[in-house]
Amino acid sequence: AQTVTQSQPEMSVQEAETVTLSCTYDTSESNYYLFWYKQPPSRQMILVIRQEAYKQQNATENRFSVNFQKAAKSFSLKISDSQLGDTAMYFCAFTPGGTSYGKLTFGQGTILTVHP
Amino acid sequence: ETGVTQTPRHLVMGMTNKKSLKCEQHLGHNAMYWYKQSAKKPLELMFVYSLEERVENNSVPSRFSPECPNSSHLFLHLHTLQPEDSALYLCASSQDLGLAGVGPYEQYFGPGTRLTVT
Repeated sequence: AQTVTQSQPEMSVQEAETVTLSCTYDTSESNYYLFWYKQPPSRQMILVIRQEAYKQQNATENRFSVNFQKAAKSFSLKISDSQLGDTAMYFCAFTPGGTSYGKLTFGQGTILTVHP
Repeated sequence: ETGVTQTPRHLVMGMTNKKSLKCEQHLGHNAMYWYKQSAKKPLELMFVYSLEERVENNSVPSRFSPECPNSSHLFLHLHTLQPEDSALYLCASSQDLGLAGVGPYEQYFGPGTRLTVT
């Protein structure tokens, strides 16, 4: 079974600054996918960024980038130029690649607050 | 309607009631999921339907009964629930590409149904 651990229950950052959210995972799978999802207060969960385990290059999406360390089983999310709209719960998630549908395992989540 | 919708958004039910949660996706996907989000536990995958067949059941108690009549609709039938079943129930959908190991398995989530069992 896979496990996903987010060790930071809460984080805060000033607007326009950079913050990094941590995630580690444990798996025996060689093919898998990692995701960061964002759940704003009282709003729907949306995908922020995804990483294929077979890709060495770290994924980036505008102000969001990841630091994927496969050997260390680490998958951190960096948010640059933080904005007030980034305030949300962030979930790290894992799905194995052995099926044609997803089987997401989520971490406990990190509440990020961006202060003006 | 766009994306993934869920009804009702809030539900209060007694332990002896029977109710159903509804999920509808307007994205043309063919895989649908139920998740449970409790205050003190990570999101838990409950059921997965792919091509209208149940492909995953993560040891969910029988008081939760899923139904997927077509690729756009997913139901969760509830009966004889316990107070610890109070949670946010999220529905999601994705495109099942039919090939094991072919991602990206991006899932789109609904807003959830906040369930309170009294």
